[in-house]
Amino acid sequence: EAQVTQNPRYLITVTGKKLTVTCSQNMNHEYMSWYRQDPGLGLRQIYYSMNVEVTDKGDVPEGYKVSRKEKRNFPLILESPSPNQTSLYFCASSVRGKGYNEQFFGPGTRLTVL
Amino acid sequence: AQSVTQLGSHVSVSEGALVLLRCNYSSSVPPYLFWYVQYPNQGLQLLLKYTSAATLVKGINGFEAEFKKSETSFHLTKPSAHMSDAAEYFCAVSDESPGNQFYFGTGTSLTVIP
Repeated sequence: EAQVTQNPRYLITVTGKKLTVTCSQNMNHEYMSWYRQDPGLGLRQIYYSMNVEVTDKGDVPEGYKVSRKEKRNFPLILESPSPNQTSLYFCASSVRGKGYNEQFFGPGTRLTVL
Repeated sequence: AQSVTQLGSHVSVSEGALVLLRCNYSSSVPPYLFWYVQYPNQGLQLLLKYTSAATLVKGINGFEAEFKKSETSFHLTKPSAHMSDAAEYFCAVSDESPGNQFYFGTGTSLTVIP
């Protein structure tokens, strides 16, 4: 089944404790992206990757890191999480970095930082 | 710069009634437009997309949307609401700029009243 998977689905942590949210897709997509969803704000892009070893900032990259060492994986790293990073996070992928290609979304990771 | 405005953060309709969810976009170039649906505790699922072919786009689950350039709108409609349509709906705009970034609206929560 073609899908984007994220782990964990739910995570509660404390301020400053490094964490990684994994994202993997099995569709051989070149493009991958991370979004955060907050009430009243919709989804905002954090980082994206056009291909392996190619990443760039989205609209809200502060406090996050990413890497793209393999085509299928695009982990999101919070090196020192803070309470304002409490949010619902989505990973997405698409065939190419072209605007007409729809993005396929993972199931989401709900993160709470205490 | 791209942006999307969704009028009405909450919409309630009776079962069997017309569903109309509004989306207006701002784009300096011809846009690509998308509607996604998010069911509780799930990721986003594509309903339909406009990519400069037919202006009336039909999607899954009986939804359709019409691209109106003169009104910069891409409203989502369904003739007869079903209980299973209750969900959060997001309109998104994209273009050919690098990064394939989707700009999402703030979402509309649809309630279907039996």
